[in-house]
Amino acid sequence: DAGITQSPRHKVTETGTPVTLRCHQTENHRYMYWYRQDPGHGLRLIHYSYGVKDTDKGEVSDGYSVSRSKTEDFLLTLESATSSQTSVYFCAISESGRKNTEAFFGQGTRLTVV
Amino acid sequence: GIQVEQSPPDLILQEGANSTLRCNFSDSVNNLQWFHQNPWGQLINLFYIPSGTKQNGRLSATTVATERYSLLYISSSQTTDSGVYFCAVEEAGGSYIPTFGRGTSLIVHP
Repeated sequence: DAGITQSPRHKVTETGTPVTLRCHQTENHRYMYWYRQDPGHGLRLIHYSYGVKDTDKGEVSDGYSVSRSKTEDFLLTLESATSSQTSVYFCAISESGRKNTEAFFGQGTRLTVV
Repeated sequence: GIQVEQSPPDLILQEGANSTLRCNFSDSVNNLQWFHQNPWGQLINLFYIPSGTKQNGRLSATTVATERYSLLYISSSQTTDSGVYFCAVEEAGGSYIPTFGRGTSLIVHP
């Protein structure tokens, strides 16, 4: 199994509070991604990173920011959580520059904003 | 961006039945993966299959990249096959970003 750890696994927070989710990998993969999963939408990309301090927006980036100061860690921050950000968040990793760019996912973080 | 459509959206089977899930995509791809999301929410890699055919036990997959579709075959289905099956593609051009379809929800009854 790919070494990907998401923390926390579950979180309940109040509207308006900041929240940070962490993704940690032990595979030394270059690419890291944050997705959210909502009923009827599949998985949608929030932000991704293609290297340390190199990040870009995905399809649903409004209200989220990310940081990657080390290869192994990718943080997702909700600056001021809203009820619409209640979701399951998945981190993924993949390698690039090689023939196989298979992506692997963490176990997910269930976030509830009340 | 690339569009990914999966069909059918829902599928209900009796244990032992066979099924075929389809993934259509709108542009050329460098990579295609099939995932199974189990009832506990975990995403499990099934196949990395940008082209050709692969088999793993009762599951097999075929991607015809020139015609922009992939098929996932499940034979002799078991209750443990229940869950959601996702197709994810990486658009050609070096984006390295998996784009997901909305999935096929499979329920296998004993």
